Parts: sequence; structure tokens; C-alpha cells
Amino acid sequence: SQELEQSPQSLIVQEGKNLTINCTSSKTLYGLYWYKQKYGEGLIFLMMLQKGGEEKSHEKITAKLDEKKQQSSLHITASQPSHAGIYLCGADDVAGGTSYGKLTFGQGTILTVHP
Amino acid sequence: KAGVTQTPRYLIKTRGQQVTLSCSPISGHRSVSWYQQTPGQGLQFLFEYFSETQRNKGNFPGRFSGRQFSNSRSEMNVSTLELGDSALYLCASSLEARGSGANVLTFGAGSRLTVL
Repeated sequence: SQELEQSPQSLIVQEGKNLTINCTSSKTLYGLYWYKQKYGEGLIFLMMLQKGGEEKSHEKITAKLDEKKQQSSLHITASQPSHAGIYLCGADDVAGGTSYGKLTFGQGTILTVHP
Repeated sequence: KAGVTQTPRYLIKTRGQQVTLSCSPISGHRSVSWYQQTPGQGLQFLFEYFSETQRNKGNFPGRFSGRQFSNSRSEMNVSTLELGDSALYLCASSLEARGSGANVLTFGAGSRLTVL
């Protein structure tokens, strides 16, 4: 079965600093999703990447998919306290087939941003 | 457009009891998935329903069950509760949870279950 490993497990940064979170898969990545979660709450969808080399940005958050490395990275530019939370990557289990609602998630990266 | 609604948000049960959690998907979404989130195991897939049929199931014991109604609302039930069932149970809906990467799940706020 597929496993996703996120690094680092936790990150503390000063407001205004840039940061990167990595998500590495044990198998080929077919669809990679980034979510953000506030503690004890639901997941908020950030971005979806489907093709190797694909890069997407939303406000100050950029995500990339490196198909060869079976890895995705999430980069936050000029971090703000509002960026604090748990970032989770999730991946489809199958290629071009039917995931039927099942995503495999990484263990999450806890981000703290100090003002 | 209303999001995914889960009820109740918090509940406390004792070992041996059973619990039913409810999920109302986004209007028009026909697929509903359930996940369990714990500090030790992270997010784990329970099952997925589409048009009242379970299409996918995770690796959980038979004490965990679910169903979906004709209006796409879904319930999950856990019988004979154990301490280890304490978790955040998350429901997610999608338009059509079919492959090719287009499986964007929209999650609800979750139901926090504490088993004493």
C-alpha cells in the first residue's frame, strides 16, 4: 500500500519567513492533494496536482509535483500567523482508475508562525 | 452554498455503547467518504458510499459500519465502543469520486468522539 512521509513533522518560523514542507511517496504519485487543518477541525482543500512538473499557486502558497522523485513540496512565502496549522498531503491510491473516496494521507506537518 | 455538515460535533460515550454519526454532503455531491483521525494513526479511510452503495472500504473491524440515504446523506455507526475508538471522525463529499486524480474531497468539521 502507498505511504506518504512528510517532513518536517513540525516547523516554527518567524512571521515573514519563507518555508517549505515536503511530501514523499513510497509509490508513483497519480494525484496529490494538499490540505490545511486547524487543530480539531476539518480539512480545508488547498491545491491538487496531477502531472509531473505541475506547479500551482494560491496567494502566497505554491505547490509543486516532482513525479520522478515521487515527491511534492509546499512553499509558503512571507509567512503570516494565519498560515499556522497542520498541513497534510494526500494521494490517490490508483492511476486512472477508481479511488472511490480513498486518499492516503501523510502524518501532517505542524506549522507555527510567531508574530 | 452550504458545506459538509456533520452532527453531533462532540459526544462522549462509555465502552460497550454504540454511536451514530451523521453527515450531510454538499448539495449535488453524491459520494460520501468517512475518515478516522487519531494522534497515533493519523487520517485513515473508513469507507465510501455512492448512490447508497458502499464502493470502497478501509481496514477497520466490522463494528464500523455506514450507510447512505437516497438524498446522499450518510451515517456511520460504531458498535461496542472501545477506548481506542476515541477520535475525530471526518466526513467528506465529492461530486464523483472516480479516479484519474479528480478526487477533490470537501471535508466537514468532524465529530469528536470520546470513549470513557
